[in-house]
Amino acid sequence: AQKITQTQPGMFVQEKEAVTLDCTYDTSDQSYGLFWYKQPSSGEMIFLIYQGSYDEQNATEGRYSLNFQKARKSANLVISASQLGDSAMYFCAMRGFSGADKLIFGTGTRLQVFP
Amino acid sequence: GAVVSQHPSWVICKSGTSVKIECRSLDFQATTMFWYRQFPKQSLMLMATSNEGSKATYEQGVEKDKFLINHASLTLSTLTVTSAHPEDSSFYICSASHSMGRTEAFFGQGTRLTVV
Repeated sequence: AQKITQTQPGMFVQEKEAVTLDCTYDTSDQSYGLFWYKQPSSGEMIFLIYQGSYDEQNATEGRYSLNFQKARKSANLVISASQLGDSAMYFCAMRGFSGADKLIFGTGTRLQVFP
Repeated sequence: GAVVSQHPSWVICKSGTSVKIECRSLDFQATTMFWYRQFPKQSLMLMATSNEGSKATYEQGVEKDKFLINHASLTLSTLTVTSAHPEDSSFYICSASHSMGRTEAFFGQGTRLTVV
């Protein structure tokens, strides 16, 4: 079985500062992918970043980077230089590649950026 | 990125009626589509996996007779909520992938269903 855990229901960060959103996972799959999505109040799901379990380097996409620690089964999202528009729900997700290929989500973290 | 279009974006219906939600991949073929349900301030809960040309695979606890899923083509999957009740009111969102595996899932805009 697969499980994603996000232990921070809410986070606050000041504009222009960096923030880390935590994500741990559990899976029996040898090959899997980890994703982060942003969900603003409008409800759409915006893909941010992807990390494959066999990728050697941590993924980066602009201001987003993923701190992948495979042995600890963690995939934390780091947002640098926070902007007011970053205020939203953030979901960590995982997809195993050995079976049903389902994408499952953590419970999410609500990030609020203040001036 | 690829575009997934979901329609309608919101719908209000009376108890006992059925509602159909469409999910289309506009610029790619999606062998597999996923349907999620999201309650307010909660995470996305996978309801079912929709495979083109075959029966959908439902998650445990999801009533397949109530939530009918049809994936008739590589670009269209539909979710029909049959005999809707107020407790079916929720945010429903679909996603699709280019292929099984490593690429991200692209999401539709979601449908807010209110049953009165």
